[in-house]
Amino acid sequence: DQQVKQNSPSLSVQEGRISILNCDYTNSMFDYFLWYKKYPAEGPTFLISISSIKDKNEDGRFTVFLNKSAKHLSLHIVPSQPGDSAVYFCGGGGSNYKLTFGKGTLLTVNP
Amino acid sequence: DADVTQTPRNRITKTGKRIMLECSQTKGHDRMYWYRQDPGLGLRLIYYSFDVKDINKGEISDGYSVSRQAQAKFSLSLESAIPNQTALYFCATSDFTENLETQYFGPGTRLLVL
Repeated sequence: DQQVKQNSPSLSVQEGRISILNCDYTNSMFDYFLWYKKYPAEGPTFLISISSIKDKNEDGRFTVFLNKSAKHLSLHIVPSQPGDSAVYFCGGGGSNYKLTFGKGTLLTVNP
Repeated sequence: DADVTQTPRNRITKTGKRIMLECSQTKGHDRMYWYRQDPGLGLRLIYYSFDVKDINKGEISDGYSVSRQAQAKFSLSLESAIPNQTALYFCATSDFTENLETQYFGPGTRLLVL
């Protein structure tokens, strides 16, 4: 049973526009969520997190929104840049749960 | 210097061979993980270790074994490699800050089983 789902395998946006990456989860006991970014031939790197008690966390161009009632979170990148092109993994975890990742979304930002 | 290192970075082996992938970390973390990544399947957990004496199976442990030689070292073995173990393998460590676990990944090992 996949507890974290990223239903869009890929997303393409124009440079300067907003990128919105979506993630759904089934485990309502997750205490926090994280987004990781992965370039080809490199390991994933931590991007941004959000506690389950918050509904928004912002870090520069990156904002994560959490809707607990819908069990949905999204990562917004504004403005998108070509260097943001990568695979983005959403993950959920908690004190009693290992970090569980979605399958990832490939973001392509076109110049 | 990288905090999480993996050796080798690339490996080609034949079906039936035993191989070992090694991971070392300088972050001083107790928790270490092994994942594999396959196209369209994301990151799948193979094994994890919360300290030197604690080893746990992940969702896809069949065909793999691990050894936690020290806090800083966690190795993954394929006892008898098969072609469907061709994948990208990642080691990770993690820490807890403000009740949030953040994982730090190595650069990966690309394994091809012929």
